[in-house]
Amino acid sequence: KQEVTQIPAALSVPEGENLVLNCSFTDSAIYNLQWFRQDPGKGLTSLLLIQSSQREQTSGRLNASLDKSSGRSTLYIAASQPGDSATYLCAVKNSGYALNFGKGTSLLVTP
Amino acid sequence: DVKVTQSSRYLVKRTGEKVFLECVQDMDHENMFWYRQDPGLGLRLIYFSYDVKMKEKGDIPEGYSVSREKKERFSLILESASTNQTSMYLCASLQVPDTQYFGPGTRLTVL
Repeated sequence: KQEVTQIPAALSVPEGENLVLNCSFTDSAIYNLQWFRQDPGKGLTSLLLIQSSQREQTSGRLNASLDKSSGRSTLYIAASQPGDSATYLCAVKNSGYALNFGKGTSLLVTP
Repeated sequence: DVKVTQSSRYLVKRTGEKVFLECVQDMDHENMFWYRQDPGLGLRLIYFSYDVKMKEKGDIPEGYSVSREKKERFSLILESASTNQTSMYLCASLQVPDTQYFGPGTRLTVL
């Protein structure tokens, strides 16, 4: 069964710092990988989706990379802002439609 | 914009009660999902449905059932609620092939 691990579990940084969130997965036969954002008490919002044939995706200050062979993905956030404070979840799709989620990284960006 | 709505944001029920959680999507998606989210355990798939009246068990279906009588509506049923079903419940709808849209969640407390 696919297992998805996110490190660190929590992170606190001052505003303006660049930061990296890590995601690893045990089964490299993935279809795609997604990064989601979740604000406290809310649902999930998709940030970036990387297909298995791609190496990275970018959206604004966010950049996600994928190294399928090593079972790793990173989410890079440039010039962090207090509004970036949220939990970031990594999810992997193998066959079928269901996603396998990591437990998330809780990010706090302090002014 | 795709909209996924859930019938309640907060719900308090007593042990043994029958509980219905409703999810509605407005984009004619065929695939819908129910997850539960618990601290330290992340999101886990309970059930999903790939068409009207069609369903598949996810990773943790015990104690739950589902109903999909109309394409836009996917219901999660707790036949006899127990305290270990206290959780955040998230519904999602899939825009084929890859994009899952999540509802705001229902925080259920079983006393």
